[in-house]
Amino acid sequence: EDKVVQSPLSLVVHEGDTVTLNCSYEVTNFRSLLWYKQEKKAPTFLFMLTSSGIEKKSGRLSSILDKKELFSILNITATQTGDSAIYLCAVDSNSGYALNFGKGTSLLVTP
Amino acid sequence: ETGVTQTPRHLVMGMTNKKSLKCEQHLGHNAMYWYKQSAKKPLELMFVYNFKEQTENNSVPSRFSPECPNSSHLFLHLHTLQPEDSALYLCASSQVLGDNSPLHFGNGTRLTVT
Repeated sequence: EDKVVQSPLSLVVHEGDTVTLNCSYEVTNFRSLLWYKQEKKAPTFLFMLTSSGIEKKSGRLSSILDKKELFSILNITATQTGDSAIYLCAVDSNSGYALNFGKGTSLLVTP
Repeated sequence: ETGVTQTPRHLVMGMTNKKSLKCEQHLGHNAMYWYKQSAKKPLELMFVYNFKEQTENNSVPSRFSPECPNSSHLFLHLHTLQPEDSALYLCASSQVLGDNSPLHFGNGTRLTVT
């Protein structure tokens, strides 16, 4: 059965800290891994990763995929209170139409 | 504005009520989805439509009934729900089913079943 595991499940940091969120997966026929940020309601798309070792970057956020070890990390540097959210990892495969989501990491950035 | 609009934002209903959730997307996408998000659980896919045709029903109880009259609109009809159905119901769309494009989510309907 396909599985996506995120860690930690929750995290509290101070503004300015750097955080690393983890996502490991076991899926058949892997196609891509996606990161979403969910603040109040709608998850919003951050990154899609398909190849190992190529870092995707957007401002203070970056992410990388390791297809050999089957995991991805999402880094946030110089965190701000606006980064407080749930970060969702999802894996897409050729086996079906559903994205397999992890439970998410709840990040709280305190002033 | 996410491009995917869901109404209502909040809904409280009794177990004998019938209600409907509505989703509309303004992105020109052809695939639409219903997801259920419960506390401390991963998002669960409920239904998938591609070009108005239902392609997946993920073992969802019949008290949930989807309807997709066109590629821009998706409904979820609810009747005789249970308290454990209380959750955030998220609608999403993508360009075409299976083309590896990201999902765009609406803000969801927070449903409480009393």
